[in-house]
Amino acid sequence: DVVMTQTPLSLSVTPGQPASISCKSSQSPLHSDGRTYLYWYLQKPGQPPQLLIYEVSNRFSGVPDRFSGSGSGRDFTLKISRVEAVDVGVYYCMQTLQPITFGQGTRLDIK
Amino acid sequence: QVQLVQSGAEVKKPGASVKVSCKASGYSFINYGISWVRQAPGQGLEWMGWISAYNGNTNYAQKFQGRVTMTTDTSTSTAYMELRSLRSDDTAVYYCARVHYRKLDYWGQGTLVTVSS
Repeated sequence: DVVMTQTPLSLSVTPGQPASISCKSSQSPLHSDGRTYLYWYLQKPGQPPQLLIYEVSNRFSGVPDRFSGSGSGRDFTLKISRVEAVDVGVYYCMQTLQPITFGQGTRLDIK
Repeated sequence: QVQLVQSGAEVKKPGASVKVSCKASGYSFINYGISWVRQAPGQGLEWMGWISAYNGNTNYAQKFQGRVTMTTDTSTSTAYMELRSLRSDDTAVYYCARVHYRKLDYWGQGTLVTVSS
């Protein structure tokens, strides 16, 4: 199975400051169809995960443009340009080559 | 709008089975798949498997092979996940999620399953 390793496991950010989360996969989530099946989710307290980014860098419907995804190969990054209080929660990366696997999660809180 | 509404919390004894439902609305059910993901208390996310609502094809995570069955009822736009031979470490919140071109884009609210003697 593809192992997804996120760093850091937690971060505390002052509102208005940027944040960055890294996700490294043990194998590239690049499929033979040319697409890279790497996703980012935010799970707010007491809620199900919500999709932020799909296929590395595409923002899902309704996701603010302060969220961006990048990367290639086995290294991927989620960036928040200016953190807001509503961004608190646990961020997960996920790859969907079979079987689907998730990173262990990165907890973001506000300073 | 797309909604996935799951059945309520369950308490089961070790060795029993549980069947969780996930009723979809706001989209054409048969054109998408449904994945099931669970989350033990205070832990991360674990994928359990996937079912096509179009033809019922399934793909289960190896860990759950032989113990899980995923089904759909297209007449009611409902997906089901049954887990058998429950153990205490199956205590978790179970989520269904719509699958669209490999992305799990909309999620149900979750169903807490507690396994305790």
